[in-house]
Amino acid sequence: SQQGEEDPQALSIQEGENATMNCSYKTSINNLQWYRQNSGRGLVHLILIRSNEREKHSGRLRVTLDTSKKSSSLLITASRAADTASYFCATDGGAGGTSYGKLTFGQGTILTVHP
Amino acid sequence: DTEVTQTPKHLVMGMTNKKSLKCEQHMGHRAMYWYKQKAKKPPELMFVYSYEKLSINESVPSRFSPECPNSSLLNLHLHALQPEDSALYLCASSHLAGGSYNEQFFGPGTRLTVL
Repeated sequence: SQQGEEDPQALSIQEGENATMNCSYKTSINNLQWYRQNSGRGLVHLILIRSNEREKHSGRLRVTLDTSKKSSSLLITASRAADTASYFCATDGGAGGTSYGKLTFGQGTILTVHP
Repeated sequence: DTEVTQTPKHLVMGMTNKKSLKCEQHMGHRAMYWYKQKAKKPPELMFVYSYEKLSINESVPSRFSPECPNSSLLNLHLHALQPEDSALYLCASSHLAGGSYNEQFFGPGTRLTVL
């Protein structure tokens, strides 16, 4: 069963705007990761945030993690047409710092950035 | 070399055929994965190999048989598949240190059609 629920399912914005995607999960985790997928191709890793971290930045990406609410958000600032893709959160389950490499993906958000 | 390669890119097979999917990485990663992804759905984990040993099998039917001949190669042997097995099959690898799994690097996938 899929652990992560993402919203919105689809997001359409103009270039230059910010895009925010949310992810909720059900069980305790070791870390949470965000991936991007273009047109049914391979996934590209964006960012990993561990269960003891609350916020992480990478370029135009900002990820937050609230383990008390079992939720995470991905913010893409100053979006570009090239950011158009599907975005997935994935949880690596395992409380107590144990990671098993077993990623469970959310349903994904389809982001469209219009030039 | 930070790439995961998969062959073939496309595969069409009949239900009585036997075929194999291949995956290769030269990043020194000791964890490798097979995922199945149906259209408009997130990837679903099938198998995890850790240090060339099968560590996770997500109750995958026996018509899918994984093999890890060495630390750089991962195969998925297919036999007597069903049309519902048609999907994008993704291979991934990740660094494994001290029992901790890290972000995964994905290949472009093999698009499989079972007739």
